[in-house]
Amino acid sequence: QSALTQPPSASGSPGQSVTISCTGTSSDVGGYNYVSWYQQYPGKAPKLIIYEVSKRPSGVPDRFSGSKSGNTASLTVSGLQAEDEADYYCSSYAGSNKGVFGGGTKLTVL
Amino acid sequence: QVQLQESGPGLVKPSETPSLTCTVSDNSISSAYYWGWIRQPPGKGLEWIGSIYYSGSTYYNPSLKSRVTISVDTSKNQFSLKVSSVTAADTAVYYCARAKGPGIPPDYWGQGTLVTVSS
Repeated sequence: QSALTQPPSASGSPGQSVTISCTGTSSDVGGYNYVSWYQQYPGKAPKLIIYEVSKRPSGVPDRFSGSKSGNTASLTVSGLQAEDEADYYCSSYAGSNKGVFGGGTKLTVL
Repeated sequence: QVQLQESGPGLVKPSETPSLTCTVSDNSISSAYYWGWIRQPPGKGLEWIGSIYYSGSTYYNPSLKSRVTISVDTSKNQFSLKVSSVTAADTAVYYCARAKGPGIPPDYWGQGTLVTVSS
């Protein structure tokens, strides 16, 4: 059960769009539609922003969107704002009642 | 909405077996959700530890299974985590969380509690 692969960092200017990838295998990301994304500020708990690949919880801006193709899930943040600067983690069901997280991506708003 | 609150020992010595507790706010621990633990070493990523159903069924990360035990006390709306024979590598913020199934990414999280392993 290896961690999902995310780029360590991503960046974009205000107003731009940025996409963060999350690569797994057919045993996790590719095999199930249980992929979630979390936003985490320093010293705070992760906050759910995308669940079941592309669904947004109530209160999450529609600037955040999720998708999946094969073994790779993606989080796109459109219309970047300064407040989007945070760490982002993906997570997936990994079969056999197990879960797995990605290593995290630090998003910088330039 | 549900709230989760962790409590733990803070500082423990190597080889000890600390216990952490998560209190669920709204008596929903006996509902159709699973209750889990995730940890995050300082400056590092998240690691799924395991989860439990109110019936007592447990599910663990294979890499930690030999050292962790999750239990539930529905009368207190609490579930707990024990980690045996801790080392410095177990130093982390430990989060409790709610999920729709074992291994399914959680939706609600507690604020986390730091456990530091040091002599």
